[in-house]
Amino acid sequence: GQQLNQSPQSMFIQEGEDVSMNCTSSSIFNTWLWYKQDPGEGPVLLIALYKAGELTSNGRLTAQFGITRKDSFLNISASIPSDVGIYFCAGQLLSGGGADGLTFGKGTHLIIQP
Amino acid sequence: ETGVTQSPTHLIKTRGQQVTLRCSSQSGHNTVSWYQQALGQGPQFIFQYYREEENGRGNFPPRFSGLQFPNYSSELNVNALELDDSALYLCASSSWDFYGYTFGSGTRLTVV
Repeated sequence: GQQLNQSPQSMFIQEGEDVSMNCTSSSIFNTWLWYKQDPGEGPVLLIALYKAGELTSNGRLTAQFGITRKDSFLNISASIPSDVGIYFCAGQLLSGGGADGLTFGKGTHLIIQP
Repeated sequence: ETGVTQSPTHLIKTRGQQVTLRCSSQSGHNTVSWYQQALGQGPQFIFQYYREEENGRGNFPPRFSGLQFPNYSSELNVNALELDDSALYLCASSSWDFYGYTFGSGTRLTVV
């Protein structure tokens, strides 16, 4: 099935550093979502974006919906140990009340070195 | 408010068998969707149910089928299990406007 191009695949950073990851698609979406998944758990929604160009923050997290509707990025400032996990981008194209489901990226594995 | 609950948490089945996975939606959510997550991959959309009808489907064969009940809970059925069906199966619920899906912790299915 289709998956979004998410990069980087993994990141090794020091505590306190800023993190940036992005997602691109060959298709347009009208919703972009960012999730975090911890081992043995389901994805947890971090930020939802609904308009092209939208910039939204949630605490230390900031995400933007690209103008072309084909990309999005997520930034995490001043990383802390609990930020460790796998981050997924997901896009959705809603049409006439139907549901195309979410299309996910392969994930960015964030590892924080002490 | 209760979240999305899935059962069982783990399951081992033999190739060719059939399996049923269950999901209870988050309170107030009337839409439920199912995803398959292979190891090291992002979740893949299987299908979605709204008002007990399937209203969206991903690229999965007909042996993947589902049900939604009047209380918005749901089942995923997989017939003729194959080894490649081994994965984490995630259920997600949302309200009618599809904004912000809430995922359960998943069922880990192993086919041997």
